[in-house]
Amino acid sequence: GEDVEQSLFLSVREGDSSVINCTYTDSSSTYLYWYKQEPGAGLQLLTYIFSNMDMKQDQRLTVLLNKKDKHLSLRIADTQTGDSAIYFCAEGDMNTGFQKLVFGTGTRLLVSP
Amino acid sequence: EAGVAQSPRYKIIEKRQSVAFWCNPISGHATLYWYQQILGQGPKLLIQFQNNGVVDDSQLPKDRFSAERLKGVDSTLKIQPAKLEDSAVYLCASSLDREARRLETQYFGPGTRLLVL
Repeated sequence: GEDVEQSLFLSVREGDSSVINCTYTDSSSTYLYWYKQEPGAGLQLLTYIFSNMDMKQDQRLTVLLNKKDKHLSLRIADTQTGDSAIYFCAEGDMNTGFQKLVFGTGTRLLVSP
Repeated sequence: EAGVAQSPRYKIIEKRQSVAFWCNPISGHATLYWYQQILGQGPKLLIQFQNNGVVDDSQLPKDRFSAERLKGVDSTLKIQPAKLEDSAVYLCASSLDREARRLETQYFGPGTRLLVL
């Protein structure tokens, strides 16, 4: 079945760039997503990329996709303390004919002043 | 527009008791999902509804979990009887897709935190 893996923890200083990495297994994935989860809250969609794209930029967020290596990354420029949260990578799975998301284990980002 | 609503936000029960969670999706959203998120893990899909029909319940422990979506709007997820390993956050999400056959953005509620003692 599908498997999505992420590193567990990342610590950066305020103002630095953060890069969160993800690997996935399903070569038929058509969309890949990044979600943010703050303490006590649900998941908030940050951005997504279609699998025929290499890069997508949205304000401070840059998503890079290496489809050959099945590697996805999220870069946050000028990281702020408010960016501290858990970030989930998810791949869209259409294998059953209906859409569903398969999530990674999440990367906890800690931003220190 | 209002987001996905869930209640209760927190629930503590003893093992072998029953519990029910409620979800109200975003108005007009045809597809509704229930996820289980165990501490330290990503969300795992339990069941997916398209209007009031089930399209995927392959990971739902059917001996103790049940869910329904009457009239294709609100949904309830029930656990009976609960086990210690059911302690988790139960997330509800919805998306607009009227056929559940396209990858559309899922919007998540705040979740219900369940602790089974």
